[in-house]
Amino acid sequence: GDSVTQTEGPVTVSESESLIINCTYSATSIAYPNLFWYVRYPGEGLQLLLKVITAGQKGSSRGFEATYNKETTSFHLQKASVQESDSAVYYCALRSNTNKVVFGTGTRLQVLP
Amino acid sequence: EAAVTQSPRSKVAVTGGKVTLSCHQTNNHDYMYWYRQDTGHGLRLIHYSYVADSTEKGDIPDGYKASRPSQENFSLILELASLSQTAVYFCASSDWGVSYEQYFGPGTRLTVL
Repeated sequence: GDSVTQTEGPVTVSESESLIINCTYSATSIAYPNLFWYVRYPGEGLQLLLKVITAGQKGSSRGFEATYNKETTSFHLQKASVQESDSAVYYCALRSNTNKVVFGTGTRLQVLP
Repeated sequence: EAAVTQSPRSKVAVTGGKVTLSCHQTNNHDYMYWYRQDTGHGLRLIHYSYVADSTEKGDIPDGYKASRPSQENFSLILELASLSQTAVYFCASSDWGVSYEQYFGPGTRLTVL
């Protein structure tokens, strides 16, 4: 079935450092799945951070970026300079042809001041 | 003004007891979902519903029932709670189909002793 694999956390970085959280997917049911990054801040539910529905395109939001790479089946999340307020759990996800969303296990990010 | 709320936020239940988790949304969305998350796993779909008075099985429905009495409300019922059902449960809503974005509640932490 479809699956998503992402960086195992926790990931700890210092404020103003760069960040990359890796995400690779396997989509056996659909050639071009929609790809998402969700974020969960402490005490809150998951919320959509960014999405890309076309291979080769890049999505961006709040300084985060992710590029849909069909060749490497990857959708890595990057940010050039993190802030303490970025501390959260990040989930990579895809929408399969069964119209279900498959989530990765989540990566906990801790940003040190 | 949270659009998806869950109650209770945490619960301790005894093995064999009945547990009901409630979800309420004000997004006017047709679709609602129940997921569970365990350490080391992504969110896994338990049940979902696309219209009031109808529910559908997700990927891991065994041991759970769902009820959708109205567009706004969606409950998850554990008739005979078991230790293996200790997890964090998330409710979500979305517009027609499994669209690009799901809106999540803050989660319910269930501990079965």
